[in-house]
Amino acid sequence: DGGITQSPKYLFRKEGQNVTLSCEQNLNHDAMYWYRQDPGQGLRLIYYSQIVNDFQKGDIAEGYSVSREKKESFPLTVTSAQKNPTAFYLCASRGDGYNEQFFGPGTRLTVL
Amino acid sequence: DAKTTQPPSMDCAEGRAANLPCNHSTISGNEYVYWYRQIHSQGPQYIIHGLKNNETNEMASLIITEDRKSSTLILPHATLRDTAVYYCIVRVALLISNFGNEKLTFGTGTRLTIIP
Repeated sequence: DGGITQSPKYLFRKEGQNVTLSCEQNLNHDAMYWYRQDPGQGLRLIYYSQIVNDFQKGDIAEGYSVSREKKESFPLTVTSAQKNPTAFYLCASRGDGYNEQFFGPGTRLTVL
Repeated sequence: DAKTTQPPSMDCAEGRAANLPCNHSTISGNEYVYWYRQIHSQGPQYIIHGLKNNETNEMASLIITEDRKSSTLILPHATLRDTAVYYCIVRVALLISNFGNEKLTFGTGTRLTIIP
């Protein structure tokens, strides 16, 4: 089945530790995105990538980093510099020539 | 992107049509209306989008007023699985030149509850 996978579904980390969230898609989509969602709020864009080896900051990139070494993969690292990392993180992708984004199931990160 | 206004919550009886309104009075001529929904603790799901004509797919129908200042998403026969938060988003269509316009601006949406 084609789709977007994110792992793990739930993630816990201690304050001060970096953590990497996985996002993989087998839809052959060029564009990929990372969003953050806080309780009762909409989505905010962290980073996006139009093509392999290229990515752009979104609205709230501080404290996060990404890489796009392969078309299928767009991992997000939440660094210790992110002041309030506890949130629901969503990855999405979009096919070239299409406007709708397709979302993964999300990773809920809790910092203890 | 134009701002949208949606009621915070709605109830609908199972089997009936659910009609979700959205106001977008500042919409521009080149902006589309998109609808997504998010079931609790899952990623948003694309439903439908349109420019000015009414649209229908296997999930829903989208009715856009003639002046394009408002729209209604219709779920024709609501089931319990349609309980979710529904987001109305207005944005320009992506073109090759729109590399800087990738953001989907999600508001707080409408929490639709289907009542058995």
